[in-house]
Amino acid sequence: AQKITQTQPGMFVQEKEAVTLDCTYDTSDPSYGLFWYKQPSSGEMIFLIYQGSYDQQNATEGRYSLNFQKARKSANLVISASQLGDSAMYFCAMRAYFGNEKLTFGTGTRLTIIP
Amino acid sequence: SAVISQKPSRDICQRGTSLTIQCQVDSQVTMMFWYRQQPGQSLTLIATANQGSEATYESGFVIDKFPISRPNLTFSTLTVSNMSPEDSSIYLCSAPLGTGQSDTQYFGPGTRLTVL
Repeated sequence: AQKITQTQPGMFVQEKEAVTLDCTYDTSDPSYGLFWYKQPSSGEMIFLIYQGSYDQQNATEGRYSLNFQKARKSANLVISASQLGDSAMYFCAMRAYFGNEKLTFGTGTRLTIIP
Repeated sequence: SAVISQKPSRDICQRGTSLTIQCQVDSQVTMMFWYRQQPGQSLTLIATANQGSEATYESGFVIDKFPISRPNLTFSTLTVSNMSPEDSSIYLCSAPLGTGQSDTQYFGPGTRLTVL
């Protein structure tokens, strides 16, 4: 079984500052992928970034980077130079690569950017 | 990038009625997934829809309540049957798009359902 833990229910960050959203996971699968999604108030789920368990380097996508520490089973999302439009719910998710490809989600972190 | 569309985008329904949600992917995919997000909660998988076979339901979800169709590799429907106010949620479909293990799971825009 897989489990995702997001311990920050809400965060307030000043505009233009960097922010780190925490995510830890637990799995017995040897091969897996980790995902971060953004959900604005409209309800859509927007894919942000992906990290494979065997990837040697941390993933980056524009202002988003994933701080992947495999030994600690953590996959924190870092947003640099935060913007007002970053205010949203953020979900960490994982998927094993053997069997069903379904995603297991964490409980989410509500990020609010303060002008 | 591939696009996943859903309709309706939102609906308000009466208790005891049923609603069918459509999901269209602009490329062929083997698996499609249906998730439910209750107010203030995270996403929970309802079922996996495979083309040409019965959907696989997660614990707590049954076919009589959430029948699913998957007539081809680009389309699926989810029906919420005999609705009650507890069914008020956002329903999202998703599909893994890409190649190999790094294929990303994309989501449709969601259907916001309110049951009175």
